[in-house]
Amino acid sequence: AQSVTQLDSQVPVFEEAPVELRCNYSSSVSVYLFWYVQYPNQGLQLLLKYLSGSTLVKGINGFEAEFNKSQTSFHLRKPSVHISDTAEYFCAVRSNTDKLIFGTGTRLQVFP
Amino acid sequence: NAGVTQTPKFQVLKTGQSMTLQCAQDMNHEYMSWYRQDPGMGLRLIHYSVGAGITDQGEVPNGYNVSRSTTEDFPLRLLSAAPSQTSVYFCASSYSGGRAYEQYFGPGTRLTVT
Repeated sequence: AQSVTQLDSQVPVFEEAPVELRCNYSSSVSVYLFWYVQYPNQGLQLLLKYLSGSTLVKGINGFEAEFNKSQTSFHLRKPSVHISDTAEYFCAVRSNTDKLIFGTGTRLQVFP
Repeated sequence: NAGVTQTPKFQVLKTGQSMTLQCAQDMNHEYMSWYRQDPGMGLRLIHYSVGAGITDQGEVPNGYNVSRSTTEDFPLRLLSAAPSQTSVYFCASSYSGGRAYEQYFGPGTRLTVT
């Protein structure tokens, strides 16, 4: 069965510092991985995706993620965060029935 | 292009009442789905549809009904509301096939059942 584990429920960080949000997955089918972002009082929007090819994936707003098959991880990184990055971030994996399975989310709080 | 719209934004129901959450999209997407979001549990799939006239159950379908009579609309019906259905509900749509994972979400409906 497919599953996603987001290891940190909350990540506090100061503005302009680097950040890494961790995601580990379990999958028995070809791995498709995603990060979605949810800004306060809004719906989710796609940040980036890995379907195949280069293991380093770049997304919107300066975020990137690296697919690591040996460690079954897909961590999200940004070298310098802004106040506007404060949001909840969800990692997701494709299920064996072609649905999205979401992790429990990581709340990123950026402080000035 | 309005994207995915949901109404109402907020709703309070008493136990046993019924209601319909509305969802519409103007992107001509074949695939539409309903999720609920609960603290510490992420998003869970309630029902989905791969096209007009076709619906199927997701992970947590009990207590909810859906129908898809047009490509644009995908309403979610709560038959007899229970406090366990207090949640934030999101509708999403996407193209089918290889882009089914690039889902566009509506702004959500926050439902409280007392």
